[in-house]
Amino acid sequence: NAGVTQTPKFRILKIGQSMTLQCTQDMNHNYMYWYRQDPGMGLKLIYYSVGAGITDKGEVPNGYNVSRSTTEDFPLRLELAAPSQTSVYFCASSYSRGSGAGQETQYFGPGTRLLVL
Amino acid sequence: LAKTTQPISMDSYEGQEVNITCSHNNIATNDYITWYQQFPSQGPRFIIQGYKTKVTNEVASLFIPADRKSSTLSLPRVSLSDTAVYYCLVGPRAAGNKLTFGGGTRVLVKP
Repeated sequence: NAGVTQTPKFRILKIGQSMTLQCTQDMNHNYMYWYRQDPGMGLKLIYYSVGAGITDKGEVPNGYNVSRSTTEDFPLRLELAAPSQTSVYFCASSYSRGSGAGQETQYFGPGTRLLVL
Repeated sequence: LAKTTQPISMDSYEGQEVNITCSHNNIATNDYITWYQQFPSQGPRFIIQGYKTKVTNEVASLFIPADRKSSTLSLPRVSLSDTAVYYCLVGPRAAGNKLTFGGGTRVLVKP
């Protein structure tokens, strides 16, 4: 298993440009997440998905969009890049067995470093 | 959601035991306590999870008192490779879509 993979590893964008951060998992997990991590800070949840076709906002969704057409893929879209979106973006996945389980372990990808100039 | 408080940083030396305490005064009945480890330029990695009393695995131990208002992650005999940021998360029984990663505790292990 490759686990959670993310592309690209690093990208420089100009203000106003758009891009899609790709995330794929091969563990058949139903839950997937996008976080951002600013330098020296903790992770903040942007969006998450509980299954194909279902997404919901996290703590900091403004400026981003997501879609979940398959179980494996959960791309994150930046429509109009702004300097405030300079950050490291992490995708994660987990498997939920529903009620009766503990917090499901989240498996993280290696991250995408984004610089907006 | 339970708010967590943990020290910003800790220094230790190789071979010592490191104990990181996390406060979560408003933990709910269904909340679990989970710790993640993050090395520089990598995503976080699950270390350990518990609900009450003590949990131990091959990496760490987690001590949770009866009132569950705090928890302590114990790393036995640390090595240089244990230098990382450690996050304490408290969240509900369902999948972790509502988990919040705070600032974490930066642990520096010195030779």
